[in-house]
Amino acid sequence: AQSVAQPEDQVNVAEGNPLTVKCTYSVSGNPYLFWYVQYPNRGLQFLLKYITGDNLVKGSYGFEAEFNKSQTSFHLKKPSALVSDSALYFCAVRVSGSGNTGKLIFGQGTTLQVKP
Amino acid sequence: GAVVSQHPSRVICKSGTSVKIECRSLDFQATTMFWYRQFPKQSLMLMATSNEGSKATYEQGVEKDKFLINHASLTLSTLTVTSAHPEDSSFYICSATSGPGQPQHFGDGTRLSIL
Repeated sequence: AQSVAQPEDQVNVAEGNPLTVKCTYSVSGNPYLFWYVQYPNRGLQFLLKYITGDNLVKGSYGFEAEFNKSQTSFHLKKPSALVSDSALYFCAVRVSGSGNTGKLIFGQGTTLQVKP
Repeated sequence: GAVVSQHPSRVICKSGTSVKIECRSLDFQATTMFWYRQFPKQSLMLMATSNEGSKATYEQGVEKDKFLINHASLTLSTLTVTSAHPEDSSFYICSATSGPGQPQHFGDGTRLSIL
């Protein structure tokens, strides 16, 4: 079965410290992986994606993610966290065999709390 | 670029009312649009996938007669919650994509409250 797991419900970091939000996946075939951020009462904003190429992907707002095939992981990282990064983060993987729809499976979400 | 507009942002109405939510891709053509439902502090639950000019594909357990989806053009999809009841109260979010390898871009959601 295809799935995405975000093992941490919440991650707390101090402003200026590096942050990591974890994601592991299980899909058949090559994964298409995405990270999104959601602020309260808003839709999701696209941060970055991995389809092929370099394992380290750079995205919006200084975020990056590292694709690790052997560990089936796609952790989101940022070298120096900001208080404004506090939000709900979702990892997602495109469903294999979904034809031309690009249907996604989302992780359960991780709340990032950055304290001043 | 890649802006998706969703309206209305909030609806409060009486039980039995039908409510229409619009989702528009403003600066790209969306081959596929998706409708999600999100409960507080939970992940997104896909309700249906909509391709322009064809019938929507509903996820298991989603009533197609209850949640009517129309994808009239490459930039517009609508979700109509028919005869809404309090249990339909939720946060509904649409997304649109220009292709299967491209990101989904999300609207800002509609908070539906049925009294």
